[in-house]
Amino acid sequence: DAEITQSPRHKITETGRQVTLACHQTWNHNNMFWYRQDLGHGLRLIHYSYGVHDTNKGEVSDGYSVSRSNTEDLPLTLESAASSQTSVYFCASSRDSNQPQHFGDGTRLSIL
Amino acid sequence: EDKVVQSPLSLVVHEGDTVTLNCSYEVTNFRSLLWYKQEKKAPTFLFMLTSSGIEKKSGRLSSILDKKELFSILNITATQTGDSAVYLCAVYFDKIIFGKGTRLHILP
Repeated sequence: DAEITQSPRHKITETGRQVTLACHQTWNHNNMFWYRQDLGHGLRLIHYSYGVHDTNKGEVSDGYSVSRSNTEDLPLTLESAASSQTSVYFCASSRDSNQPQHFGDGTRLSIL
Repeated sequence: EDKVVQSPLSLVVHEGDTVTLNCSYEVTNFRSLLWYKQEKKAPTFLFMLTSSGIEKKSGRLSSILDKKELFSILNITATQTGDSAVYLCAVYFDKIIFGKGTRLHILP
């Protein structure tokens, strides 16, 4: 069955380290998204992509970067992790903007 | 500024009650409004609404969109303890914005 997977599921790291979270989908969806979820803020969009080599900033993109070199993957990189980036991160994909998004199970990231 | 506002932020009712969750929005180039249910892990899709006045229904859940007044409601009838979750509203325009969610707790 087609799916969307995130890895790792949990990660603990130190401030200043570079961290990369993986997202892989097998639906051949054009659109992919990264969100963070924090208490009191709901889901906030970090970056999104509408196709290979396309990336766009969301509402909380500072300190994060993405690249889309193929249809299946959209890795999220924290260049220099900060404690404020401790959060649960969700990846999602959709066939296009007229279809609902399907979410991965999330990555819980703790930055000490 | 583009925004999506959900109300109430939390709600506690007894099993068997009917609840109505609200979602209002202000965005440019509206495309669709989506409802999701989130329990312990990832949000799961409930409804996608693009046209005003057309009710979407799935079992005890239903939803409708009013594009003139810029809001949507999600109704749950005969609530069960398994309906306890956070319900998220999202609006697709040039990108997508989620509301903060309504945390619903159903007492047995």
